[in-house]
Amino acid sequence: AQRVTQPEKLLSVFKGAPVELKCNYSYSGSPELFWYVQYSRQRLQLLLRHISRESIKGFTADLNKGETSFHLKKPFAQEEDSAMYYCALSLSGNTGKLIFGQGTTLQVKP
Amino acid sequence: DTAVSQTPKYLVTQMGNDKSIKCEQNLGHDTMYWYKQDSKKFLKIMFSYNNKELIINETVPNRFSPKSPDKAHLNLHINSLELGDSAVYFCASSQVYNSPLHFGNGTRLTVT
Repeated sequence: AQRVTQPEKLLSVFKGAPVELKCNYSYSGSPELFWYVQYSRQRLQLLLRHISRESIKGFTADLNKGETSFHLKKPFAQEEDSAMYYCALSLSGNTGKLIFGQGTTLQVKP
Repeated sequence: DTAVSQTPKYLVTQMGNDKSIKCEQNLGHDTMYWYKQDSKKFLKIMFSYNNKELIINETVPNRFSPKSPDKAHLNLHINSLELGDSAVYFCASSQVYNSPLHFGNGTRLTVT
């Protein structure tokens, strides 16, 4: 069965510390993975997708098919990074169906 | 202002009532979705429509009936509301399948 797992419900770090939000997926097909973010009082929005291989707001994520992971990383966390982060898996076959992980709340303390 | 907009933002109602949530996107997208976020913040797809045609119906009770009068609108009607329907419902749209989703602000439904 297709599944996305984010093992940490809450991740708390100090400003300037490195941050890694974990995401593991289970899918037999060719995965396409995304990270979405929801800042306080804002709508859920795309942060980055693996096929773009880009860095957004200092965040990067690499798809590791061997470990079936798509961890989100930032070398130096900022207070404005505090938000809810969702990892999502898009299934092949053009259904448009996204499977979300449970979400991780990132809290960056001053 | 281009966006996905949904109304109302908050909806408090009693068990057994029927209610609707409206969603509109002016992004020119072909595909629209309804997602449900439960009390544990878990997001799960309910429906998707492409050009007014139902594509995904994710084992949602038939008390939930989506309606897409045109590709810019996807409304959600819920009959005989139950306590377990309390959640935040998000509308979203995407240009095509597998392109990034644009979400609305959500509708917090509370059934008492």
